[in-house]
Amino acid sequence: AQSVSQHNHHVILSEAASLELGCNYSYGGTVNLFWYVQYPGQHLQLLLKYFSGDPLVKGIKGFEAEFIKSKFSFNLRKPSVQWSDTAEYFCALNQGGKLIFGQGTELSVKP
Amino acid sequence: NAGVTQTPKFQVLKTGQSMTLQCAQDMNHEYMSWYRQDPGMGLRLIHYSVGAGITDQGEVPNGYNVSRSTTEDFPLRLLSAAPSQTSVYFCASSYLRGSGETQYFGPGTRLLVL
Repeated sequence: AQSVSQHNHHVILSEAASLELGCNYSYGGTVNLFWYVQYPGQHLQLLLKYFSGDPLVKGIKGFEAEFIKSKFSFNLRKPSVQWSDTAEYFCALNQGGKLIFGQGTELSVKP
Repeated sequence: NAGVTQTPKFQVLKTGQSMTLQCAQDMNHEYMSWYRQDPGMGLRLIHYSVGAGITDQGEVPNGYNVSRSTTEDFPLRLLSAAPSQTSVYFCASSYLRGSGETQYFGPGTRLLVL
């Protein structure tokens, strides 16, 4: 069965630190991968998505993700986090319209 | 555009009560879906619809019913609420059903079943 796994449940960083959140998926076919962010008390918003082509995808607010097919990974990165990046981050695989989500990673950024 | 809207924002129910969670979108999206979010489990698909009059089950459909009489609305019904249905419910929509489509989420309904 298809699945998505996020390694880190809670990450705590200081402002200006670099961020990398892990995401691994299990799926044998063509993948379409997404990262969503949920700020406290808000709904999910799309950060970035990968369909095909360049495996390095740039999203909003300085986030990027790299699709590595050989490692079944789609890690999210940001070179320098801000306090306003405090949120929960979800990696998801889109299978014919059905989103399969990872467990989520809660990011806390200390000012 | 208002996007995807959900009502109510918060609801408390007693075990055995029924209720309907409302979801509407004004983007003329064909595909709509319901997810529930539980701590440590991400979001899981409950039901989805590829167009008016067409619905299907997702990963966790038991205890929930849906219908899609119009393109805009996709209500979720809890027939007899149970404490295990305490969760945050999100409605989502996309223009079409497809792996490449971006889904847009509503603000969520927080449900507490006592």
